[in-house]
Amino acid sequence: GAVVSQHPSRVICKSGTSVKIECRSLDFQATTMFWYRQFPKQSLMLMATSNEGSKATYEQGVEKDKFLINHASLTLSTLTVTSAHPEDSSFYICSAPGTGAEAFFGQGTRLTVV
Amino acid sequence: QKEVEQDPGPLSVPEGAIVSLNCTYSNSAFQYFMWYRQYSRKGPELLMYTYSSGNKEDGRFTAQVDKSSKYISLFIRDSQPSDSATYLCATQQEGGFKTIFGAGTRLFVKA
Repeated sequence: GAVVSQHPSRVICKSGTSVKIECRSLDFQATTMFWYRQFPKQSLMLMATSNEGSKATYEQGVEKDKFLINHASLTLSTLTVTSAHPEDSSFYICSAPGTGAEAFFGQGTRLTVV
Repeated sequence: QKEVEQDPGPLSVPEGAIVSLNCTYSNSAFQYFMWYRQYSRKGPELLMYTYSSGNKEDGRFTAQVDKSSKYISLFIRDSQPSDSATYLCATQQEGGFKTIFGAGTRLFVKA
């Protein structure tokens, strides 16, 4: 299957700083990528849909100014958590759609804000 | 009501047991049904993918979809400790874009 690489896998940052998470499609081009947030023992919550060359589409309740998404190329989408606070601590996962309804996920990034 | 309902468990079984994981959904427009496996602190990986009703088998795994009752199942035969993970069911509409995930069921297979 297709490979999606997400980096970093784990990051600890101080409250008030910004953190950038990268998601790369390694062996295919992805015009669209999805960003999810996952709380412990809960399912994936779609935050936004990243579109190459255009603005991201955010889900209701997700602050676009807080979670900045950039999809500058067909193989790279980034999520920047700005002015992070402890409540932003979570597991963030990106995915790229396959040819059908399947999705290929990155390894996830565990963000801890202290 | 959530669009996809899944019991979060945990479900604990002895090695070699047959495992049955289930989800129900509410939107009859869903046509694609997937099962993902997620190990702790990792991203989900696609396990099974079916379209519309019917069964699909892949090794020890069998996925079943019953659209009449809006019920989807994953069976694992001869379960192994390495099968211990969270299993997420997921659905998508025909021509749709968003994948709707269940809450995930945590499975523990004891040696």
